[in-house]
Amino acid sequence: AQSVSQHNHHVILSEAASLELGCNYSYGGTVNLFWYVQYPGQHLQLLLKYFSGDPLVKGIKGFEAEFIKSKFSFNLRKPSVQWSDTAEYFCAVSISSGSARQLTFGSGTQLTVLP
Amino acid sequence: DGGITQSPKYLFRKEGQNVTLSCEQNLNHDAMYWYRQDPGQGLRLIYYSQIVNDFQKGDIAEGYSVSREKKESFPLTVTSAQKNPTAFYLCASRERDRLSTGELFFGEGSRLTVL
Repeated sequence: AQSVSQHNHHVILSEAASLELGCNYSYGGTVNLFWYVQYPGQHLQLLLKYFSGDPLVKGIKGFEAEFIKSKFSFNLRKPSVQWSDTAEYFCAVSISSGSARQLTFGSGTQLTVLP
Repeated sequence: DGGITQSPKYLFRKEGQNVTLSCEQNLNHDAMYWYRQDPGQGLRLIYYSQIVNDFQKGDIAEGYSVSREKKESFPLTVTSAQKNPTAFYLCASRERDRLSTGELFFGEGSRLTVL
């Protein structure tokens, strides 16, 4: 079964700093990749996703992620964070068979942005 | 507005009692899921259902039960057999069609505390 690793459990940044959150997965086949975000007191929502094509994916609120197949990675980036980006971020991997069973989440990274 | 409604938002229970968490969706999605979220452990799959009257165990199904009598509803019962039930429970849904984006839509969650 596939697994997902998020290296940073808690990241603290000042506003305007650049962000990169790591995500690695273990599965040798074709994957679909997701980043979800959970703002304080809100439900999980999709930030961006990769299915095929350009490995650099742009999502909402200025976030982007790059799929590097050789490194089994899908790191999330943002050039300049804002206080409102404070949230928990989850990476998720789905095998491209479309099976409902195979969506696996990482343990999450709590991002705190200081004003 | 289309979405997923979970209730109750907060629930307290005494040890030894069963409790049922409600999940209703009006997105016309075939597949529904229950996840458990614990700090530092991300989201772990409890049960999922791809179609009415059918469901499968996830990674941590012990001590839980579900039913899927209607497409819109997927209630989760936390039984007294669940050894550590205090957690945040998330319900999600998505289109079953393998050609769909596979994006999961989440409810706002139910926080269960066992006293």
